[in-house]
Amino acid sequence: AQSVTQPDIHITVSEGASLELRCNYSYGATPYLFWYVQSPGQGLQLLLKYFSGDTLVQGIKGFEAEFKRSQSSFNLRKPSVHWSDAAEYFCAAHLVNFGNEKLTFGTGTRLTIIP
Amino acid sequence: GAGVSQSPRYKVAKRGQDVALRCDPISGHVSLFWYQQALGQGPEFLTYFQNEAQLDKSGLPSDRFFAERPEGSVSTLKIQRTQQEDSAVYLCASSRGQGARETQYFGPGTRLLVL
Repeated sequence: AQSVTQPDIHITVSEGASLELRCNYSYGATPYLFWYVQSPGQGLQLLLKYFSGDTLVQGIKGFEAEFKRSQSSFNLRKPSVHWSDAAEYFCAAHLVNFGNEKLTFGTGTRLTIIP
Repeated sequence: GAGVSQSPRYKVAKRGQDVALRCDPISGHVSLFWYQQALGQGPEFLTYFQNEAQLDKSGLPSDRFFAERPEGSVSTLKIQRTQQEDSAVYLCASSRGQGARETQYFGPGTRLLVL
């Protein structure tokens, strides 16, 4: 079945530490891939996206993600987190099923930052 | 510039009532999407409009859900005879181009609680 999986429901990281959020997809081809962030009471904001080409993608707020075809993964990273990064993070993939195309989201990873 | 706006931000309905949720997309955006986000889950696709045409409604959970975008700008999601399982955040997103591969800009959502 076509799906997006985020294995980690909740991650806690110390401020200034590095971060990696995992995302895997199940699809017959390489989809377009996205990472969104959702802060309380806010809409989802796009951090970065991968369509093709360079497998290391740079985004806003110092985030980057690496696409690995062999692992069907698109993990999000940040070298040094800030308290303001605390939020819910969603990985999404553009999937096509019987001619209908849509964004399919993972269940999200909640990020907590401790001082 | 103005982003995607949604109203109301919160709605409490008694079971069996009809509700209407409004989405004002970014001006000039061709595509408009509705998603349903249950507590602790990622957004789930409901329906997609390209201008005034509803091209995909495969995600609508039942015939109690109806969406329209009569003039190709503002959209309304209507839920008839609401049930408790309809309680969720309803997100609207718009994008400049056609299809789901374009960057989608999300509104803050309408939180619906059905009692």
